[in-house]
Amino acid sequence: ELKVEQNPLFLSMQEGKNYTIYCNYSTTSDRLYWYRQDPGKSLESLFVLLSNGAVKQEGRLMASLDTKARLSTLHITAAVHDLSATYFCAVEPSGAGSYQLTFGKGTKLSVIP
Amino acid sequence: KAGVTQTPRYLIKTRGQQVTLSCSPISGHRSVSWYQQTPGQGLQFLFEYFSETQRNKGNFPGRFSGRQFSNSRSEMNVSTLELGDSALYLCASSFGGSSYEQYFGPGTRLTVT
Repeated sequence: ELKVEQNPLFLSMQEGKNYTIYCNYSTTSDRLYWYRQDPGKSLESLFVLLSNGAVKQEGRLMASLDTKARLSTLHITAAVHDLSATYFCAVEPSGAGSYQLTFGKGTKLSVIP
Repeated sequence: KAGVTQTPRYLIKTRGQQVTLSCSPISGHRSVSWYQQTPGQGLQFLFEYFSETQRNKGNFPGRFSGRQFSNSRSEMNVSTLELGDSALYLCASSFGGSSYEQYFGPGTRLTVT
């Protein structure tokens, strides 16, 4: 059974600081996704990482994937209040043959002015 | 381009009743996946349909079922509702093939009393 673990689950950080969210998964994976969810809202796609060593950046967020270590990171640079949300990583296991994502429990990020 | 739409957005039902939720994917998308989100269990995969065929099913009882129509619209049905079925039900659509992005709808908030 595929397990996806995120840490930390809660993160309170000051504006302007940097931090990293970690996502570990237990079996080989075809694809890894990062999503953002604002309270009461749906999921917004941030990144899809397809291969070992993949790195993607959008604004203050950068995601990377190490398939050998079964680890993905979401790095936040110079945080701003607008980044406050819950961030989920999700993994599609190898050979699933369909869009079947296993999600981590999410990291609730609060950026304090 | 219109996004994923889900109807209804909010629903209150009584234990023992059944409910049908609807999802209209982005135009041209052939894959629709359903997820259940609860505070306790997080985001869990229910099932995925592609070109009217269920390709995968998550670990949910048989009370949860779904289908997809020829226009890619999908419905999910929950029979004999239980209190624990109260959740946000999200559907996601994807074009399929080499396109890996999944776009989530706004969700249906189901409350079972």
